[in-house]
Amino acid sequence: AQKVTQAQTEISVVEKEDVTLDCVYETRDTTYYLFWYKQPPSGELVFLIRRNSFDEQNEISGRYSWNFQKSTSSFNFTITASQVVDSAVYFCALSDMNRDDKIIFGKGTRLHILP
Amino acid sequence: DTGVSQNPRHKITKRGQNVTFRCDPISEHNRLYWYRQTLGQGPEFLTYFQNEAQLEKSRLLSDRFSAERPKGSFSTLEIQRTEQGDSAMYLCASSLVASGSFKTQYFGPGTRLLVL
Repeated sequence: AQKVTQAQTEISVVEKEDVTLDCVYETRDTTYYLFWYKQPPSGELVFLIRRNSFDEQNEISGRYSWNFQKSTSSFNFTITASQVVDSAVYFCALSDMNRDDKIIFGKGTRLHILP
Repeated sequence: DTGVSQNPRHKITKRGQNVTFRCDPISEHNRLYWYRQTLGQGPEFLTYFQNEAQLEKSRLLSDRFSAERPKGSFSTLEIQRTEQGDSAMYLCASSLVASGSFKTQYFGPGTRLLVL
């Protein structure tokens, strides 16, 4: 069975601080994709990143970075120099690479960036 | 280029009434997905279409739920005899299936349903 666990339900940090959102996943599949989506107050899920299970290289995109570690089944997301606009709910998710018809989401981490 | 759109954005109904939601995917996207998101939870898969064919339905999709995509473009999700437990955000996503490429799902803004 596939499962995504985001142990942090809510985090508050002061603007300009760095913050890391944790994600641990479970799957029996040997090939899979991992994702992060952002859900601002408007409700729309915004795609941030997709990683496949073959590629453990960390990725950086501006203030965002992702750390994928297969050995610990983790796919953590760090926001550097956080801004108030980063306030949202962030979802980590998982999909079987061979049948990516559905995405399994974690419960999300609500991030508050305080001015 | 427009994203995925959903209508209505909000719906309030009384228990026992039928409701229908519409999703317009990104043009040329041949896959369309429906998810449900309850308060404090992540989205849960309900069903998906490839063109007009409904290929999978979750066990979450009871007999009161029906989804269609008659011409392979927009889709409708109907809930009959609504119950209070149906109150949730209903999210639609679309993707483009192409041989050998990954199918990122892009989500719409959702329809928030409240059953009184």
